[in-house]
Amino acid sequence: LAKTTQPISMDSYEGQEVNITCSHNNIATNDYITWYQQFPSQGPRFIIQGYKTKVTNEVASLFIPADRKSSTLSLPRVSLSDTAVYYCLVGDASNTGKLIFGQGTTLQVKP
Amino acid sequence: GAVVSQHPSWVICKSGTSVKIECRSLDFQATTMFWYRQFPKQSLMLMATSNEGSKATYEQGVEKDKFLINHASLTLSTLTVTSAHPEDSSFYICSASGPGGATPETQYFGPGTRLLVL
Repeated sequence: LAKTTQPISMDSYEGQEVNITCSHNNIATNDYITWYQQFPSQGPRFIIQGYKTKVTNEVASLFIPADRKSSTLSLPRVSLSDTAVYYCLVGDASNTGKLIFGQGTTLQVKP
Repeated sequence: GAVVSQHPSWVICKSGTSVKIECRSLDFQATTMFWYRQFPKQSLMLMATSNEGSKATYEQGVEKDKFLINHASLTLSTLTVTSAHPEDSSFYICSASGPGGATPETQYFGPGTRLLVL
């Protein structure tokens, strides 16, 4: 399984755009890139998933360069409620579907 | 869509007793379910993968006789912590993947179960 590397923590202020970059140099051809959000004492929540280029949904955008060795989660105009841990994962659609969580990025949004 | 529930949400038990945690996919059939454990301020650690109707596959270092997993149907998996000890106190989270997901391997997580063993 491809390993991911993210910054351990980030600070931001309300209303700013936050970009969290994840490195996955050993990503395999079949791997998708998925981001999850976790609040304390809750299960992770699916945010967005992509394979290449750009994906956008109602809460975030995901940018994936052509070599797919990294990806960037973009959260527009964050609020205090976006304070959470964000995990970047890669998984293989053709295998067991296992996901191995790294340490994630703790985002602290300040007023 | 893609809702996963867990029951109970928290449980306190005495050392030596067994505790069963249920994980249900409410609006889709889960071909595969996963069980994780999370200690305070740490990341999720995968314990095992279970497929409906077959034996679970445990990660290295996880005792299969202590953490019994049953995946009896496409919507239900159970984790039983047998002879629980204080060091088993943790946050247990399940996830499910299946045709209802964005892609076949997309996992949807339950809300977690807090276990405290006294």
